[in-house]
Amino acid sequence: QKEVEQNSGPLSVPEGAIASLNCTYSDRGSQSFFWYRQYSGKSPELIMFIYSNGDKEDGRFTAQLNKASQYVSLLIRDSQPSDSATYLCAVKVASKLTFGTGTRLQVTL
Amino acid sequence: NAGVTQTPKFRILKIGQSMTLQCTQDMNHNYMYWYRQDPGMGLKLIYYSVGAGITDKGEVPNGYNVSRSTTEDFPLRLELAAPSQTSVYFCASSWSGQPNTGELFFGEGSRLTVL
Repeated sequence: QKEVEQNSGPLSVPEGAIASLNCTYSDRGSQSFFWYRQYSGKSPELIMFIYSNGDKEDGRFTAQLNKASQYVSLLIRDSQPSDSATYLCAVKVASKLTFGTGTRLQVTL
Repeated sequence: NAGVTQTPKFRILKIGQSMTLQCTQDMNHNYMYWYRQDPGMGLKLIYYSVGAGITDKGEVPNGYNVSRSTTEDFPLRLELAAPSQTSVYFCASSWSGQPNTGELFFGEGSRLTVL
């Protein structure tokens, strides 16, 4: 079982719709959870992080964490073409950050 | 602040050659990391360091070596390059003090091809 699992996609959503990205992790000792966005040929950039169970909202983005079920998700409201990118889920245990393989999101006009 | 700086940005190596990827950060971060990213894949941790003089293996350390003599620098050494090491390499750093978000700050990446 992979430590961090994501559906590779592509996930295609129309402009203005909600995109839902999911991630599961195996280590119950995981302490914090991150969503990074990576445009093609660029380095990852942090979108959100979450520590506690529940929802965390930042603008059009909402991260959701359920430690009992070991999953974390990212919702993107009012999706824009500029949101088209690969979204990497990352899980932190001690000083190490482990990444999933990423989900490619395509926002269509 | 320049952030995390990696050099070179591109390099082509022949099989069996060796080289060092340089990484330096000016944010006084104590944690530093080397990841590799193969096409269409996520990032795999090669080595990491929690401070000067301290390094540890990540998920895929074979064929690589690191050192951390200063807080700022974390070079990655490739010995006897193999085609399987063709990848994009990212150096990253983070701050373990307060506030500690755990956010990684990435360099722009180094694209390495081994032929």
